[in-house]
Amino acid sequence: QQPVQSPQAVILREGEDAVINCSSSKALYSVHWYRQKHGEAPVFLMILLKGGEQKGHDKISASFNEKKQQSSLYLTASQLSYSGTYFCGTEKAGGGADGLTFGKGTHLIIQP
Amino acid sequence: ETGVTQSPTHLIKTRGQQVTLRCSSQSGHNTVSWYQQALGQGPQFIFQYYREEENGRGNFPPRFSGLQFPNYSSELNVNALELDDSALYLCASSDEPTGGYEQYFGPGTRLTVT
Repeated sequence: QQPVQSPQAVILREGEDAVINCSSSKALYSVHWYRQKHGEAPVFLMILLKGGEQKGHDKISASFNEKKQQSSLYLTASQLSYSGTYFCGTEKAGGGADGLTFGKGTHLIIQP
Repeated sequence: ETGVTQSPTHLIKTRGQQVTLRCSSQSGHNTVSWYQQALGQGPQFIFQYYREEENGRGNFPPRFSGLQFPNYSSELNVNALELDDSALYLCASSDEPTGGYEQYFGPGTRLTVT
């Protein structure tokens, strides 16, 4: 089953913060976050491995709670360039070349 | 810059025809995965090739097939096209097939089946 992302959409003013959640019913090895703008390919943001780590660069960070199989993406002091659709892609634990299973995406609109 | 390229950018085919989409992976990446992205949806895994062998497949029928070549290029072939095959097709390259390696996507091929 695909991971569940929430919220489905969010509209923010420039400078506000956002949190996007990704939840899976399966045991996960890793969670990958991507941003996709309309008509373009998904752009890799970051990857989190099992072990409950947290990562970040610039004003975008993420966490992975291995026990709950949940990951959250944090966007602080959002910029206009952050607009787009955010996808989490999950890799299941236990091996197997099944690629990434993506959620339906979260649409983020940043207004001036 | 990921260095993953795809061709063609856009393609229009008629139902029942066959199509070949091409991908050039980032140099040194042994793994290529293909995804289908319908409008408004997340990418859906079609299959994965590692060192020229298919080593994983999603829930897609056998009329979806692929090849990977030693020069880091690969192909996705779709036979007997159906209207529902209309989508953006993405390839993604990575160092290894599993183990939390970053996957870098190409710009995609937009396929329209009429």
